[in-house]
Amino acid sequence: SQQGEEDPQALSIQEGENATMNCSYKTSINNLQWYRQNSGRGLVHLILIRSNEREKHSGRLRVTLDTSKKSSSLLITASRAADTASYFCATGGGKLIFGQGTELSVKP
Amino acid sequence: EAGVAQSPRYKIIEKRQSVAFWCNPISGHATLYWYQQILGQGPKLLIQFQNNGVVDDSQLPKDRFSAERLKGVDSTLKIQPAKLEDSAVYLCASSLLDRGELFFGEGSRLTVL
Repeated sequence: SQQGEEDPQALSIQEGENATMNCSYKTSINNLQWYRQNSGRGLVHLILIRSNEREKHSGRLRVTLDTSKKSSSLLITASRAADTASYFCATGGGKLIFGQGTELSVKP
Repeated sequence: EAGVAQSPRYKIIEKRQSVAFWCNPISGHATLYWYQQILGQGPKLLIQFQNNGVVDDSQLPKDRFSAERLKGVDSTLKIQPAKLEDSAVYLCASSLLDRGELFFGEGSRLTVL
């Protein structure tokens, strides 16, 4: 069963706009991670936020975590065509469980 | 630093045949994972190793799938006999810590005809 569920399933924006993806999960977690997957490639780790953290930044990425609502969001600012990919959240206490992903399309 | 290596990248077989995938994790990474990713879905964990011991194989279809981690380094995932629904990308990942960042290989795409 999937632990994390991303929303929306698909998102299409113009270059320069911000993209926001959400993730909801069901059980308590130690940390929550976001990954990116370009078409036909493996997953690449973007950012890890621990359960006692509320917000984390990495370059153009901003991740928030609300453990009371069991939800997280990933914000990509000033998006670029190269950001086109699928984005997954992953949660778990011992084993990492991935959601279904958000497919982001950034049009030049 | 060399990444996670997987082979073959692509494999086409007929149903009821067997197939094996190989993974070489990043040097020093104790934890190794095999995930199955069906088109349009997120990766599903099949098996997790810590060194050469199995930590979790609860979602591994043990009647047809098997996996081993030789000497706590390389790993092989085998499917015998394959079914049509096994068509997927098989992703290998490794991590330094069992709750840390995962490093993925490029995957092995299996098509079962």
